[in-house]
Amino acid sequence: ETGVTQSPTHLIKTRGQQVTLRCSSQSGHNTVSWYQQALGQGPQFIFQYYREEENGRGNFPPRFSGLQFPNYSSELNVNALELDDSALYLCASSLPAGLYNEQFFGPGTRLTVL
Amino acid sequence: DQQVKQNSPSLSVQEGRISILNCDYTNSMFDYFLWYKKYPAEGPTFLISISSIKDKNEDGRFTVFLNKSAKHLSLHIVPSQPGDSAVYFCAASETNTGNQFYFGTGTSLTVIP
Repeated sequence: ETGVTQSPTHLIKTRGQQVTLRCSSQSGHNTVSWYQQALGQGPQFIFQYYREEENGRGNFPPRFSGLQFPNYSSELNVNALELDDSALYLCASSLPAGLYNEQFFGPGTRLTVL
Repeated sequence: DQQVKQNSPSLSVQEGRISILNCDYTNSMFDYFLWYKKYPAEGPTFLISISSIKDKNEDGRFTVFLNKSAKHLSLHIVPSQPGDSAVYFCAASETNTGNQFYFGTGTSLTVIP
């Protein structure tokens, strides 16, 4: 059984650029959630995708957008990068929402915005 | 607004003793709670969960206690082992509104050999 994978591991961008982060969900999971973890903080929910549709969104601006593909892999896109976007971005997969299901996390992508 | 709080940033415990990690929440609609463990350079790993219909859940050395009236949960690790040294996050969700989890800021546990 393959776990959650994310790419790239690390990324350095400059302010104003755009970035795309990728996530492959655990086998059998059709729900993907993205989180931002700033230094010294817990993960903050960005949004969730279920069957290629956005299924819940946290308090993040529209320049944070996402996609889910038919194979349940997912992308997180961030436009017009700001310095405060520097963080660890975590992807988590799970079975459908509404059940008592834990989320399984990938190792994360460390984004640095200069 | 931090809906889930872990007020102790760090905790040190001797090997073999009990580790108690605490978590408080403010949203009375939360009905599912989890603990995750995180090592450096890795994503959080699921440890144990509890739903609001229970007040205790046990898995080996790990036990989670839920006090709904106090909006408080705790994780007990007995006996603590050096390999337990990690950052522990509690998380909460309201299952009727989807699987959006709210995380605390984490407690860094160090188990001293």
